[in-house]
Amino acid sequence: QQQVKQSPQSLIVQKGGISIINCAYENTAFDYFPWYQQFPGKGPALLIAIRPDVSEKKEGRFTISFNKSAKQFSLHIMDSQPGDSATYFCAASPLYAGNMLTFGGGTRLMVKP
Amino acid sequence: DTGVSQNPRHKITKRGQNVTFRCDPISEHNRLYWYRQTLGQGPEFLTYFQNEAQLEKSRLLSDRFSAERPKGSFSTLEIQRTEQGDSAMYLCASSPSQGAGEAFFGQGTRLTVV
Repeated sequence: QQQVKQSPQSLIVQKGGISIINCAYENTAFDYFPWYQQFPGKGPALLIAIRPDVSEKKEGRFTISFNKSAKQFSLHIMDSQPGDSATYFCAASPLYAGNMLTFGGGTRLMVKP
Repeated sequence: DTGVSQNPRHKITKRGQNVTFRCDPISEHNRLYWYRQTLGQGPEFLTYFQNEAQLEKSRLLSDRFSAERPKGSFSTLEIQRTEQGDSAMYLCASSPSQGAGEAFFGQGTRLTVV
């Protein structure tokens, strides 16, 4: 079954702290793993994405860690800022399927000043 | 603004009525996707076009739903005989045709069926 499980559902972090969101998948055909950020009333926007040939990818304050054997991946937001307060979604798809994405349930992040 | 454009932004309709939404993708993107997002949930894939060809349809897409992309440009999503369970945000996204390029989402059309 194509499913992506995301945790936690909500997260409160102090400004400057590290936010960590975890996802697990079942379908071994998945080989593209993006993270999206969504603000209220807006569509999701791609933050960072990884393919399983690497175990970690960093872009600015955002890092994806990927564990292929465990079928898990996570998003780390370093030095979290109030402006990072949003809902974050992990997603996955087979590369051949482009962006026919299966999304996790989302994590609502609040960064307190 | 050259992003993905969706119209209308909001639609309120009575149960049983038909509704149609429009999506204008980024002009050079060959792939176009429709997703549905209910409150507090992640988007769910509905259907996918490569140019004008509809290549994939989710089991979520009942017979009351139909999507078109004439001439491989804009796309429409029609829901016939709307039900209260159809109330959701309908998101359109587009991406280049090569590999898993970044998918750009529109701001969505929020449908409320009363």
